[in-house]
Amino acid sequence: GAGVSQSPSNKVTEKGKDVELRCDPISGHTALYWYRQSLGQGLEFLIYFQGNSAPDKSGLPSDRFSAERTGGSVSTLTIQRTQQEDSAVYLCASSLVGGEADTQYFGPGTRLTVL
Amino acid sequence: AQRVTQPEKLLSVFKGAPVELKCNYSYSGSPELFWYVQYSRQRLQLLLRHISRESIKGFTADLNKGETSFHLKKPFAQEEDSAMYYCALGGNTPLVFGKGTRLSVIA
Repeated sequence: GAGVSQSPSNKVTEKGKDVELRCDPISGHTALYWYRQSLGQGLEFLIYFQGNSAPDKSGLPSDRFSAERTGGSVSTLTIQRTQQEDSAVYLCASSLVGGEADTQYFGPGTRLTVL
Repeated sequence: AQRVTQPEKLLSVFKGAPVELKCNYSYSGSPELFWYVQYSRQRLQLLLRHISRESIKGFTADLNKGETSFHLKKPFAQEEDSAMYYCALGGNTPLVFGKGTRLSVIA
């Protein structure tokens, strides 16, 4: 079946603009994660959705970052007033149930470049 | 706090040589450890997890709670093993990833 998909694959924007990144998880997966992958920094957790529970937003770096998940499926990560340090690859992952033993399946990522 | 340390940013080995990618973790509870791999132009994917005690593509990893380590090993490296490897710690979703080690296998 189809894996996790993300769009756009690349996004170039100007400093100060808002951007929206989309993630389509694997059908039936109840858990959805957003990470940021920066050069030399590994994967940084941003936010986690599990079913109907309140999302874990503990990894969001500032209030310019927000995310929502509509209908328990598609998720959108929004970055307002982008800064150059926001440039990174944003990865989305989903898993069947959630929890530490659950395998996460990753999307191809969105490469964000803020000029 | 949960923390994962991968001390080597880059590891270069010759084809056929043994390879060991180091991973140390910090966690007060019962850890779940994973290795994820990202080949060139491919998405990040699970390589193996300690609870499965499996060998994938010739790689193995043993959880050593005394040394808080989960090193990834392969006795004979192949060129196709060249990739970015990330160690990850669970036990409290979401996963905490290390900064990764780039493995380069030289022919």
